[in-house]
Amino acid sequence: EVQLVESGGGLIQPGGSLRLSCAISGFSVSSKYMSWVRQAPGKGLEWVSIIYSDDSTSYADSVKGRFTISRDNSKNTLYLQMSSLRAEDTAVYYCARDGIRYHFDYWGQGTLVTVSS
Amino acid sequence: NFMLTQPHSVSGSPGKTVTISCTGSSGRIASNYVHWYQQRPGSAPTTVIYEDNQRPSGVPDRFSGSIDSSSNSASLTISGLQTEDEADYYCQSYDDSKRVFGGGTRLTVL
Repeated sequence: EVQLVESGGGLIQPGGSLRLSCAISGFSVSSKYMSWVRQAPGKGLEWVSIIYSDDSTSYADSVKGRFTISRDNSKNTLYLQMSSLRAEDTAVYYCARDGIRYHFDYWGQGTLVTVSS
Repeated sequence: NFMLTQPHSVSGSPGKTVTISCTGSSGRIASNYVHWYQQRPGSAPTTVIYEDNQRPSGVPDRFSGSIDSSSNSASLTISGLQTEDEADYYCQSYDDSKRVFGGGTRLTVL
C-alpha cells in the first residue's frame, strides 16, 4: 500500500527557515517523480516544486531561489527546504507522487506551515 | 505562462447533471493531458478523472471527462448528482516542466 506522510510544519517567523519531510512507503522515492503542492487557507491548489528521477528539479516562480526540493533514497523520504519565508507562504503543504503523464496519483495528508510574527 | 480557468462555483439538484469547464490559455489545452481532482474540506485531493477521460477504479461512472479543442477547454461532467459530490474540483495539466492547476470550482448540491 502506498502511503505519503508529511511532517515538519509549524509556526515560523517571516524570514525564517523550515524543512518539511515526506516519508514514503509502498514504492521507492528514487524511481518516481515527486512534487510538493500547497494550498493557502481558503484558496486553491498551487504546484510548488518537482524532483525527477534523474535528480533534476523545477520550481514555481513564486518560490524559486528560496525553496529546495531533495530526497534521501536510503530513508525513502522527500524534503522541502524553505527559507526566506513570507506570510504568503502560509499554506498546507502536500507531497504528491507525480505519476504517468503528469498526474498526481498519490497524495499525503498535508502539513500546515504558518508564517507569522 | 500557461493558465487554466475554471468557474468559481456551480450548483445542481440531486439527480441532475452539472458540467465544470476548464479553459486553457494560449490555445494549448489539447497539447497535454488534463486531470481532475475532488477535494472535500479538510482532506487531500483525490483523482476523479485522469488523462482527459479516464476514471480510476472506485470512481463512479457518473463522472466523465472530455476535451474540446475548438473551445480550448476540458470539461468534467457529473451526472445523477448526489449530496456526497459536494466538494471543490480542480483541473490540472502541464506546461514547460511546470504543473498547472485551475483555480478550483465549488460544487454545491442543492
